Amino acid sequence: ILNVEQSPQSLHVQEGDSTNFTCSFPSSNFYALHWYRWETAKSPEALFVMTLNGDEKKKGRISATLNTKEGYSYLYIKGSQPEDSATYLCAFRPYGGATNKLIFGTGTLLAVQP
Amino acid sequence: NAGVTQTPKFQVLKTGQSMTLQCAQDMNHEYMSWYRQDPGMGLRLIHYSVGAGITDQGEVPNGYNVSRSTTEDFPLRLLSAAPSQTSVYFCASSLQGPEPQHFGDGTRLSIL
Repeated sequence: ILNVEQSPQSLHVQEGDSTNFTCSFPSSNFYALHWYRWETAKSPEALFVMTLNGDEKKKGRISATLNTKEGYSYLYIKGSQPEDSATYLCAFRPYGGATNKLIFGTGTLLAVQP
Repeated sequence: NAGVTQTPKFQVLKTGQSMTLQCAQDMNHEYMSWYRQDPGMGLRLIHYSVGAGITDQGEVPNGYNVSRSTTEDFPLRLLSAAPSQTSVYFCASSLQGPEPQHFGDGTRLSIL
């Protein structure tokens, strides 16, 4: 069974704080690592798809890094704003087959207090 | 583009009833999938399809059927609803390869 773990489960920060969370995934058979942002009552929206060890991606104040050899990815949010409040999901895609099957973690719930 | 459209948004069923959750995408994506989301658990894959006429089981397929007669549509059928199938269901689509998945708005299903 392939496990994807995210930590922490939840995080409460003040507006302006910078924060980061972790996604751990199997280090073998790696194909891609996805990050999604999921606001309450909406559907998950893709942030990043990362494929190369050492990859760094950035979108505004949000960035992510990838270490496929040790099986982890970090998501960073610089200067958190209340609109960043959401659940952040990561998903691991193993190599093999002509499919896009993803294994999701349970997410990190971020609450940013104004 | 409408993206991924799911209907209905909400549904209440009685145990033993059958129903079909609809999913359509207008992005010409080859890959489509159905997930269920339950409290404390990540999105779990029910069934997926890599193209018209091709479907396969995911992690939790029991009690569900799918078909893919066109690229655009990927309906999910509950054959005989059970309370354990109470959940929020998401349909997603993507191009093949390391591409992000695009999700519908979800269907909240309650089985009494």
